Amino acid sequence: EAGVAQSPRYKIIEKRQSVAFWCNPISGHATLYWYQQILGQGPKLLIQFQNNGVVDDSQLPKDRFSAERLKGVDSTLKIQPAKLEDSAVYLCASSLDSRSYGYTFGSGTRLTVV
Amino acid sequence: AQSVTQLGSHVSVSEGALVLLRCNYSSSVPPYLFWYVQYPNQGLQLLLKYTSAATLVKGINGFEAEFKKSETSFHLTKPSAHMSDAAEYFCAVRYNNNDMRFGAGTRLTVKP
Repeated sequence: EAGVAQSPRYKIIEKRQSVAFWCNPISGHATLYWYQQILGQGPKLLIQFQNNGVVDDSQLPKDRFSAERLKGVDSTLKIQPAKLEDSAVYLCASSLDSRSYGYTFGSGTRLTVV
Repeated sequence: AQSVTQLGSHVSVSEGALVLLRCNYSSSVPPYLFWYVQYPNQGLQLLLKYTSAATLVKGINGFEAEFKKSETSFHLTKPSAHMSDAAEYFCAVRYNNNDMRFGAGTRLTVKP
């Protein structure tokens, strides 16, 4: 089966600019996650979708981050405006929505804010 | 707060030596437990998972982990390290609310 697709792979922007990341989960996976992985740290959950509804966005900095999952398939994560501390790898993952399964991760988007 | 702790941010072993990466979780209810591996510039790949069946779990690439409730541990082992095992390893826990929490990671270096 095809994996979780993410684009772009790399992005360099200046602070205060905007950026968007795209994720296409595995077909049939109802649950989609966005994680932020800062260099030297483990991934931190930003937002979790169940189909096209938000389940958990408690750790999403809502003043600058937004995410949507239209039609319960693809998802977009946006940062506006970006700060230097947003430099990280943004990982998208999906799962079948069973707690016994691990997630399937995409390769991530490496964002550098200068 | 429910969390997972990985002891040792860096572990270095010689090729052919035993690999032991430590993971402890904090919970009164046994969670689902996972080990992921991350190679440079790649996403996380599932190595193995514990889902309340057998306490000794075998994964890919010769890795295994043992769930010990009394010690709240889920350490990852491999009898003989290979150069290709050099990577970052993450322990993760998943609770009933479906939220997976990751440890800070352990970077494994394998010396020739």
